[in-house]
Amino acid sequence: DQQVKQNSPSLSVQEGRISILNCDYTNSMFDYFLWYKKYPAEGPTFLISISSIKDKNEDGRFTVFLNKSAKHLSLHIVPSQPGDSAVYFCAASSGNTDKLIFGTGTRLQVFP
Amino acid sequence: DAGVIQSPRHEVTEMGQEVTLRCKPISGHNSLFWYRQTMMRGLELLIYFNNNVPIDDSGMPEDRFSAKMPNASFSTLKIQPSEPRDSAVYFCASSLAPSRGPVVSYTFGSGTRLTVV
Repeated sequence: DQQVKQNSPSLSVQEGRISILNCDYTNSMFDYFLWYKKYPAEGPTFLISISSIKDKNEDGRFTVFLNKSAKHLSLHIVPSQPGDSAVYFCAASSGNTDKLIFGTGTRLQVFP
Repeated sequence: DAGVIQSPRHEVTEMGQEVTLRCKPISGHNSLFWYRQTMMRGLELLIYFNNNVPIDDSGMPEDRFSAKMPNASFSTLKIQPSEPRDSAVYFCASSLAPSRGPVVSYTFGSGTRLTVV
């Protein structure tokens, strides 16, 4: 039973345009959300996070939006760069545990 | 710090053999996690430890899988006997769990790619 879902396995975007990666969750107890980025043959690395008390968090070219009523979050990358090509995982946790539940990942390809 | 260190990087074994994956977490981190990455399920949590004690092993697929953390600097994930469906990339991650508040990000190792033939 997948509590965190990324329904788009892949996304292709032109350099300079916006990339939007989506994530849905089913557990209403989740109150903290993170995005990780993974290059081939490497482990995932932390990118950006958001607490459920916020609906937006921004860090440079990366912005995460949270819609609690829809149980949906998205990661926006503006402008997209070829170096952003990677697999992006969304993850969620609830306040009473330090374990993260990950989604299935979305492979982003940014082409020139 | 060298980060989370996993060994071996690649493992090819025959069905029925025992496989042991190893992990050295970041010094000072008090939580350790084992994940498995597959196309169908993404990053799937198998087990996690806090202060060397197993907290949640509900993700361990079946009795063929076992994990230990004998001390703060070492953990193993063992599969016995191994089967072709166990083929995946296995990641270890560690974190410094806060006494209160949400989890801070994990640091992952580079993973072990396991192939069971």
